[in-house]
Amino acid sequence: EDKVVQSPLSLVVHEGDTVTLNCSYEVTNFRSLLWYKQEKKAPTFLFMLTSSGIEKKSGRLSSILDKKELFSILNITATQTGDSAIYLCAVDSNYQLIWGAGTKLIIKP
Amino acid sequence: EADIYQTPRYLVIGTGKKITLECSQTMGHDKMYWYQQDPGMELHLIHYSYGVNSTEKGDLSSESTVSRIRTEHFPLTLESARPSHTSQYLCASSDTGQGARSPLHFGNGTRLTVT
Repeated sequence: EDKVVQSPLSLVVHEGDTVTLNCSYEVTNFRSLLWYKQEKKAPTFLFMLTSSGIEKKSGRLSSILDKKELFSILNITATQTGDSAIYLCAVDSNYQLIWGAGTKLIIKP
Repeated sequence: EADIYQTPRYLVIGTGKKITLECSQTMGHDKMYWYQQDPGMELHLIHYSYGVNSTEKGDLSSESTVSRIRTEHFPLTLESARPSHTSQYLCASSDTGQGARSPLHFGNGTRLTVT
């Protein structure tokens, strides 16, 4: 059965800290891995990863995929209170998205 | 500014009522999806559509139906609401024809409470 597991489930850090969120997967036919940020409303797209070892970067956020070990990490440096959100990981397997339960990140001022 | 719109944002309704959750997108996307999301849980796919007059059930049976008469419109109907339907419902769309799945664009969700 395809599955995506995110860890930790929740994380509380102080502003300015660096955080690393994890997403591991077991799927039958990997096509891509996607990261989304969900605040109070709609999830918004962050990154799509298809190849191992190639870092995607957007400002203070970056992500990398390891297709051999079947995981991805999302790094956020110099965190700000606006980074508080649920971070969702999803894997496209056979054109179906398998979602993780998310990591709830709280940034304390 | 959202290009995919869901109404209503919040709905409280009694058991047994019929309800329709609306979803419209202005991006011309072929693919549209309905997800159910409970707090701290994964998104579960309820229904999806790859184009006009195409609808498929997802992996979560929610006793709901959908229709896709127009590209931009993908309403979800619950014929008889039950307390177990209390959840957040997210509509999403994506472009087609990409080598790998193109990112989903989500609406702001409808939070449904069935009393």
